[in-house]
Amino acid sequence: GIQVEQSPPDLILQEGANSTLRCNFSDSVNNLQWFHQNPWGQLINLFYIPSGTKQNGRLSATTVATERYSLLYISSSQTTDSGVYFCAVVKGLGSNNNDMRFGAGTRLTVKP
Amino acid sequence: EAGVAQSPRYKIIEKRQSVAFWCNPISGHATLYWYQQILGQGPKLLIQFQNNGVVDDSQLPKDRFSAERLKGVDSTLKIQPAKLEDSAVYLCASSLGYTTQYFGPGTRLTVL
Repeated sequence: GIQVEQSPPDLILQEGANSTLRCNFSDSVNNLQWFHQNPWGQLINLFYIPSGTKQNGRLSATTVATERYSLLYISSSQTTDSGVYFCAVVKGLGSNNNDMRFGAGTRLTVKP
Repeated sequence: EAGVAQSPRYKIIEKRQSVAFWCNPISGHATLYWYQQILGQGPKLLIQFQNNGVVDDSQLPKDRFSAERLKGVDSTLKIQPAKLEDSAVYLCASSLGYTTQYFGPGTRLTVL
């Protein structure tokens, strides 16, 4: 099956710093999502981004599908950004190919 | 718009006991997923429903896990009998078609 690798596994930042999280995947995909899992375990959708670039406030994401990677940028980090960031991909498009594969995540800690 | 609802939020049981989890997806979402997330790992798909039919249950341990989706809306996931290694967070997600998946808050299961 498709492999998803995220880096770095852990990241510690001072409040106000910027960061880039990376997601590499082993095959072409039709769906890629970035999630933030907060300390209570809730998975929160950040971006649906199988290709291209999107921005939402201090967060932005870019997926280069032809090179099989995606980047999540966090600018001016805040303590509330702490948690685990997951990249998840779906290879196919349709009912029999909708298995979403998650990476192992990047654990972000933002210190005040 | 209400999100994905799950209950209970927490459950502690002894090994070899049975347990059931309930999920109510976002209204109108035909596709429903159950994931298992073991501590320190990304979620892993257990079963996917399209309306009330099973699309993918290849990673469901069928000797002890079962799931059903009543009338294409609510779903229950059951474990019988539970093992120590079933301790995890069980996440339910739903989607409209095969794009963005939205996750519920999860049920944290501890098997003693």
